[in-house]
Amino acid sequence: DQQVKQNSPSLSVQEGRISILNCDYTNSMFDYFLWYKKYPAEGPTFLISISSIKDKNEDGRFTVFLNKSAKHLSLHIVPSQPGDSAVYFCAARSWRDDKIIFGKGTRLHILP
Amino acid sequence: GAGVSQSPRYKVAKRGQDVALRCDPISGHVSLFWYQQALGQGPEFLTYFQNEAQLDKSGLPSDRFFAERPEGSVSTLKIQRTQQEDSAVYLCASSLASVTNPRELFFGEGSRLTVL
Repeated sequence: DQQVKQNSPSLSVQEGRISILNCDYTNSMFDYFLWYKKYPAEGPTFLISISSIKDKNEDGRFTVFLNKSAKHLSLHIVPSQPGDSAVYFCAARSWRDDKIIFGKGTRLHILP
Repeated sequence: GAGVSQSPRYKVAKRGQDVALRCDPISGHVSLFWYQQALGQGPEFLTYFQNEAQLDKSGLPSDRFFAERPEGSVSTLKIQRTQQEDSAVYLCASSLASVTNPRELFFGEGSRLTVL
């Protein structure tokens, strides 16, 4: 049973436009949500996070939105840049057991 | 070291062979996690250590998988009698806090295991 779902395996966006990556979750015990970015042959690196008590967190070009009633979060990147081309993982932590559960990832291609 | 270091980066094993994967966390980091990432999938939780104590091993797929961190620093993930389905990238991550702050989770580059 997949607790964190990223339903879009890939996404292509024109450079300079907004990239929106979506994530759905099923576990009500998740209290912290994170986005990680991964380049080929490298480990994931932390990008941005949001606590379940908030609905928005912004860091430069990156904004994460959380809709708890819909169990949905999204990552907005604006403006998109070539270096943003990577795989993005949505992840969530359960307060109950402290594990971090990852989605399958979305591959973002930024087109010139 | 400056980051989480994993070795070997690449390992090819014959089916039935035992393998050992090593993780050197960031110095002083209390928490250590192992994840398995199959091709096209996200990282799947395997096990978690706080210092030398293995607090959660619920993600280990079978009793062929064993992890240890005897002195609370370096960790080894051992896979006995490898099978083809064990082929994956094994990621190690460490965190400074004893109560994990997800923001502070640092990943190594991974060990890619291919079982023939």
